Amino acid sequence: AQKVTQAQTEISVVEKEDVTLDCVYETRDTTYYLFWYKQPPSGELVFLIRRNSFDEQNEISGRYSWNFQKSTSSFNFTITASQVVDSAVYFCALVSGTYKYIFGTGTRLKVLA
Amino acid sequence: DVKVTQSSRYLVKRTGEKVFLECVQDMDHENMFWYRQDPGLGLRLIYFSYDVKMKEKGDIPEGYSVSREKKERFSLILESASTNQTSMYLCASSLFAGLAYNEQFFGPGTRLTVL
Repeated sequence: AQKVTQAQTEISVVEKEDVTLDCVYETRDTTYYLFWYKQPPSGELVFLIRRNSFDEQNEISGRYSWNFQKSTSSFNFTITASQVVDSAVYFCALVSGTYKYIFGTGTRLKVLA
Repeated sequence: DVKVTQSSRYLVKRTGEKVFLECVQDMDHENMFWYRQDPGLGLRLIYFSYDVKMKEKGDIPEGYSVSREKKERFSLILESASTNQTSMYLCASSLFAGLAYNEQFFGPGTRLTVL
């Protein structure tokens, strides 16, 4: 069975702090894709990154970075120097084999000014 | 810009009513999805469609049906609404990518309340 676990239900940080959101996944497939989405208070999910199982390179995009480690089945997301606008619910998702994207339960990030 | 629109942001219905939620995408995407989002449960897939008139059950299809008569439109139908179907409903679409999987584009959601 496939599963995505986001153990952190809610995280609060003060602006400019770094924060890491954890994502642990389970799958028996060797080919799979992982995603991160952001859901701001307005409600619409916004795509952040896609990574396939054959590409373990870490990625950095501005203040955002992602650490993909197959050995620990994790795909963690770090925000450097957090800002109030980063406040949102963040979802990690997994898909392989079919179009059944599996989402984690989300992590609510609150960045306090 | 990819745009996924949903017919209503908020909807209030009575138990037993037939409810239609409409979703339209303007980017010629082959794949379309319906999810419901509930606190503490994340997003759960109800149905998806990879082509016109094609549909596949997701993880929680009970009590729902779907229709895809045109490529750009994917409808979710609650045949007889019940209070446990009160939820946020999200529609998404994605471009077919062969053996790969593209990102999904989401609509703004419909918050359905069944009284």
